[in-house]
Amino acid sequence: GNSVTQMEGPVTLSEEAFLTINCTYTATGYPSLFWYVQYPGEGLQLLLKATKADDKGSNKGFEATYRKETTSFHLEKGSVQVSDSAVYFCALTTYSGNTPLVFGKGTRLSVIA
Amino acid sequence: SQTIHQWPATLVQPVGSPLSLECTVEGTSNPNLYWYRQAAGRGLQLLFYSVGIGQISSEVPQNLSASRPQDRQFILSSKKLLLSDSGFYLCAWSVGGVISRTDTQYFGPGTRLTVL
Repeated sequence: GNSVTQMEGPVTLSEEAFLTINCTYTATGYPSLFWYVQYPGEGLQLLLKATKADDKGSNKGFEATYRKETTSFHLEKGSVQVSDSAVYFCALTTYSGNTPLVFGKGTRLSVIA
Repeated sequence: SQTIHQWPATLVQPVGSPLSLECTVEGTSNPNLYWYRQAAGRGLQLLFYSVGIGQISSEVPQNLSASRPQDRQFILSSKKLLLSDSGFYLCAWSVGGVISRTDTQYFGPGTRLTVL
């Protein structure tokens, strides 16, 4: 079946630090990969996505590269801000009549000034 | 542009009471619709999804049910709430038609349900 594994949180960083949140997956079929972000008290927002191997998704300074050889989609940002404090979810879909989207458990990021 | 609404935003209900959460989408036709639950420490769990009026797929057996009485309306219900039903309920939509692996889901603001 399909599954997503994210690094355990919480992650606490100082402002302007480099961020990496690891995400690895297992999938039957060819997955598309997503990162969603959830700010406090809100729903989820799509942050970026990649639909084929070696694609790089990017948005708001965040990047993630679809690595088929390592089955990974790690999220990175060169310089985090306090406003980036949120919960980040890695997700995949390989819809073939079963569960259309599978999420990781989420990683809480706290950025301190 | 498309928007998705959920209500109520927060809800406190006693054990054994009924539940009805509503989700509506504007600005698109025949969307695919989804209900998720986010429980503390358990991540995001898909509960139901629908590709059309009256078509509901259930992912997890439980005392919840879903209905889609209109094209852009998705309702989550329960006849008798359990303590374990507490959580943050999220509705989402994606472009209609056959669900493909490249589809992006767009989420509503969520309903926080506390069962006492």
